[in-house]
Amino acid sequence: QKEVEQNSGPLSVPEGAIASLNCTYSDRGSQSFFWYRQYSGKSPELIMFIYSNGDKEDGRFTAQLNKASQYVSLLIRDSQPSDSATYLCAVRPPGSARQLTFGSGTQLTVLP
Amino acid sequence: DGGITQSPKYLFRKEGQNVTLSCEQNLNHDAMYWYRQDPGQGLRLIYYSQIVNDFQKGDIAEGYSVSREKKESFPLTVTSAQKNPTAFYLCASSLRTAENTEAFFGQGTRLTVV
Repeated sequence: QKEVEQNSGPLSVPEGAIASLNCTYSDRGSQSFFWYRQYSGKSPELIMFIYSNGDKEDGRFTAQLNKASQYVSLLIRDSQPSDSATYLCAVRPPGSARQLTFGSGTQLTVLP
Repeated sequence: DGGITQSPKYLFRKEGQNVTLSCEQNLNHDAMYWYRQDPGQGLRLIYYSQIVNDFQKGDIAEGYSVSREKKESFPLTVTSAQKNPTAFYLCASSLRTAENTEAFFGQGTRLTVV
C-alpha cells in the first residue's frame, strides 16, 4: 500500500464548478498535511496546509481533514481554467525528521 | 527577493558522466531536500539535510551524492552509478523538519541523458 494515495485523474470540471480532490494516507500518526499545485513543467507551489480535523478555508480553496478516516481533501470553488494543473497531496510522517511524503498527484482540467 | 535558486534549468549528461546540480537558498532555512520527479509521478526523496555538514539518505539515494558545507547550499551530484537519471530534479527547503513547516521549492532542473 502506498503511503499517500491520490486518484491520478484526469479530473475534468466545467468552469465555475466545484472541483474535489481526495487523498488518503496510511500512517495514522501523521500530523501535517499539505496541498501543492504544479503546473506542467514547473515546480510545486504550496496552496494550503492543515493540521487539525475539520475544514480550513482560504479564498476559493477549502482543505478538509478527517484523521479517523485518514483522508484529506481539497475543494476548489468557482473553478477557473487557470486552476488546471496537477495537485499534489503531501503528508509529514510522524515521529521523524523526514520530509514530506508526496502522492502521485491528480491532474485537474477546468473546461471553459 | 528571498527564494531558492536551482541551476542549470536544463542539463544534458553523457553516459558515464557525473554531473552536479546546484541549489542555493537565501531564506535562512535550516533544512534542505532533493526530490526526483518522473513523468506522471509524485516526488521521491533523494537526500535531505537538517544542518550544515550533515545529511541523510532518502528513499532513492543510490547513484546520488550530496554535500552541505554551507547553510545556503546543497548541491546534488548524479553519478555514473545512477542508471536512469533522466528526470526532473527539485530542490526544496524548510525552516525545520520536526515541526509543522511547509517546504518551498526551487524551479527545478531537467536532466536528460544523451
